[in-house]
Amino acid sequence: EVHLLESGGGLAQPGGSLRLSCAASGFTFSNFAMNWVRQAPGKGLEWVAGISYTGTNTYYAGSVKGRFTISRDNSKNTVYLQVSTLRAEDTAIYYCAKDIYPHPEGHLDSWGQGTLVTVSS
Amino acid sequence: SYDLTQPLSVSVALGQTARITCEGNNIANKNVHWYQQKPGQAPVVVIYREKNRPSGIPERFSGSNSGNTATLTITRAQAGDEADYSCQVWDTGTMVFGGGTKLTVL
Repeated sequence: EVHLLESGGGLAQPGGSLRLSCAASGFTFSNFAMNWVRQAPGKGLEWVAGISYTGTNTYYAGSVKGRFTISRDNSKNTVYLQVSTLRAEDTAIYYCAKDIYPHPEGHLDSWGQGTLVTVSS
Repeated sequence: SYDLTQPLSVSVALGQTARITCEGNNIANKNVHWYQQKPGQAPVVVIYREKNRPSGIPERFSGSNSGNTATLTITRAQAGDEADYSCQVWDTGTMVFGGGTKLTVL
């Protein structure tokens, strides 16, 4: 059974940084692309970033490009999201989700339960 | 950027058919996926590539895609189908979600 467990969320000040982690199990992690999707309180889903199975290719939403960095460590079955220069509008639950393909181009067939990031002074 | 437009809410009587639309420019040329999200839970894919159901998703869920509109259809709606539903596509290396539709079963 696929299991994705996010961690690293919490309270950050505007302009601050956090590092989110997502530990994966139950599948061959190095074969699949991974994505981060966020959901602001009471709002819809917003894709944030995706990374290919080797980590060579990364993709970002315009709203976070230059501020967020996605990476992965296939030896640890973990994907990361470094979130920097945080703004109030980055406040959201951040979900880690598995793509069905090696590159981010399909649907997301497994999701974690999310980690909450709150940006406030 | 590519935009997907969904109605904010759809209501359906118990046992009847609900249709949730997702509008996008020439969306018929894209693979459309649908997610169901219940309060406090992570999303779950219910339809992928327009009309395919993952294992465990009832046959009551189906999808179609033509022109500028993709549609998720739920027949014989049940109370347990109450949830938010979001469509999703990829466009030039970017994943795009619709704004989501709240389905209410009356």
